[in-house]
Amino acid sequence: DTAVSQTPKYLVTQMGNDKSIKCEQNLGHDTMYWYKQDSKKFLKIMFSYNNKELIINETVPNRFSPKSPDKAHLNLHINSLELGDSAVYFCASSQQSGGGVAFFGQGTRLTVV
Amino acid sequence: QKEVEQNSGPLSVPEGAIASLNCTYSDRGSQSFFWYRQYSGKSPELIMFIYSNGDKEDGRFTAQLNKASQYVSLLIRDSQPSDSATYLCAPRGGSASKIIFGSGTRLSIRP
Repeated sequence: DTAVSQTPKYLVTQMGNDKSIKCEQNLGHDTMYWYKQDSKKFLKIMFSYNNKELIINETVPNRFSPKSPDKAHLNLHINSLELGDSAVYFCASSQQSGGGVAFFGQGTRLTVV
Repeated sequence: QKEVEQNSGPLSVPEGAIASLNCTYSDRGSQSFFWYRQYSGKSPELIMFIYSNGDKEDGRFTAQLNKASQYVSLLIRDSQPSDSATYLCAPRGGSASKIIFGSGTRLSIRP
């Protein structure tokens, strides 16, 4: 049973398109995150939700819109894709209490052409 | 100053030796400290966490934390080729929902 699962694993799309990445966790965690890992492998936090409420919104273009329909799901919608959006996007989840170790999904490799 | 600083490497260590990975952080409110390992093309996986000053050992891994110096390290004893990966230091910020990652240290274990 996959703890944190993302779909799709690979996404190739043209500039200007709109795309979504879905994430689900079955760990019962109350906090979920989106991270972006660029070509230099730097893992940068984008958003964090706690019990469906947005609590962290880093400096991310507003073309990126997260949505959390319930605490087990956190989706990422990206409008008007640009070449610079090409990266690996990781979803993660953690429990707020007990130290908050984050568990990661397998990542979505987005390539914008 | 970056929030989390790590030497990017590559750090090359002979098989069987001790690999020492270092990390400094800027947020004095950080309470939890994690070390993740990331193999190429894979997602980060947790290998150690530490909350209190001092040392914490788990098998071949030892994490060391010094909150006064804002310094955390990871020692890997009896290094194996399978330890070759990028190691990410990740303090959990004073704002408990923010886990910030360092840029990672690439470790290479040579046979």
